[in-house]
Amino acid sequence: DQQVKQNSPSLSVQEGRISILNCDYTNSMFDYFLWYKKYPAEGPTFLISISSIKDKNEDGRFTVFLNKSAKHLSLHIVPSQPGDSAVYFCAAGYAGGTSYGKLTFGQGTILTVHP
Amino acid sequence: NAGVTQTPKFRILKIGQSMTLQCTQDMNHNYMYWYRQDPGMGLKLIYYSVGAGITDKGEVPNGYNVSRSTTEDFPLRLELAAPSQTSVYFCASSYSDRGNSPLHFGNGTRLTVT
Repeated sequence: DQQVKQNSPSLSVQEGRISILNCDYTNSMFDYFLWYKKYPAEGPTFLISISSIKDKNEDGRFTVFLNKSAKHLSLHIVPSQPGDSAVYFCAAGYAGGTSYGKLTFGQGTILTVHP
Repeated sequence: NAGVTQTPKFRILKIGQSMTLQCTQDMNHNYMYWYRQDPGMGLKLIYYSVGAGITDKGEVPNGYNVSRSTTEDFPLRLELAAPSQTSVYFCASSYSDRGNSPLHFGNGTRLTVT
């Protein structure tokens, strides 16, 4: 049972345009969501997060939108740059209880930004 | 500041061999985690630790063991390697277990079992 899904394995975008990466989840108990970026031969690095009490969080060129009723979140990158080419993972977790920060990850989306 | 350091970067094991994947962090984080990533899949949690001397199982713990004798180190032990354990292993740490405390990952160990 995959609780976090990224249904697009890859996305190709022209430099300067918007990149939109999507993520769906099934568990309504998740109360925070994160995006990680991964370059080849490196570990994932944290990009941006959002709490379930918000519907938008922005950090520079990166904006995450959360639609709780649809159990859907998206990451917008504007404008896209060639250096943004990487694998992007969506992750979800619980804020309390015995969660201890354990995350459930999606399969990842490979973003390629063409010059 | 090195962050999270994993060794080795690559390893090839024969079926039935054992090995230890090393992980150390210099950020004084209490929380540490081991994840594995199979091709085309997301990361899955193997084991985690909330502090020295305290460990617990994650989603896919079978075939692995861990220990946490110090805050800095969190080694992962494979006792009888199997082809199903071929994967990329990531160690991570975090300051707390709250949503505003993201995981810091090492660069991974690529393990092949043949």
